[in-house]
Amino acid sequence: NAGVTQTPKFRILKIGQSMTLQCTQDMNHNYMYWYRQDPGMGLKLIYYSVGAGITDKGEVPNGYNVSRSTTEDFPLRLELAAPSQTSVYFCASSWGLEGTYNEQFFGPGTRLTVL
Amino acid sequence: LAKITQPISMDSYEGQEVNITCSHNNIATNDYITWYQQFPSQGPRFIIQGYKTKVTNEVASLFIPADRKSSTLSLPRVSLSDTAVYYCLVGDGVTDSWGKLQFGAGTQVVVTP
Repeated sequence: NAGVTQTPKFRILKIGQSMTLQCTQDMNHNYMYWYRQDPGMGLKLIYYSVGAGITDKGEVPNGYNVSRSTTEDFPLRLELAAPSQTSVYFCASSWGLEGTYNEQFFGPGTRLTVL
Repeated sequence: LAKITQPISMDSYEGQEVNITCSHNNIATNDYITWYQQFPSQGPRFIIQGYKTKVTNEVASLFIPADRKSSTLSLPRVSLSDTAVYYCLVGDGVTDSWGKLQFGAGTQVVVTP
């Protein structure tokens, strides 16, 4: 199993450009998440999904959009990139049951710089 | 939301025990406490999880007092490879609360020979 894969590994964007961060997991997990990690800081939840077709906002959703058309894929879309979105983005997945918290498996991250 | 506080950094020597305490005063009844380890340029990796009392696995122990307002991750006999950032996570799996999952700011542990 490859686990959670993310592409690209690095990206530089100009202000106002758009891009999609890709995330794929092959563990048949129903829960998927997107986090951002700013330098020297903890992770903040952007969006999460409890299954295909179901997504919801986390702590810092502004400026981002997500979709979940399949169990495996959970892309994160930045429509109008801003310098404040310079960060490392991590995708994660877990097998979730309502009422419990289950181990999240993280991808290697995408380092995004907006200039 | 549970406010999570953990030390910024801790230093240790090889072979010693390292204890990292996380404070979560507003923890909710349904919240679990989970710890992750992160190496540079990698995603976090699950270490241990608990709800109350003590949990032990092959790499760590987690101590949670009765009031659950804090928790302590214990790493026995650390080695150089335990140098990493350790994150405390508080949250539950109730569907409408997933958006409230919170990571602490992380504790940088440096192990020296």
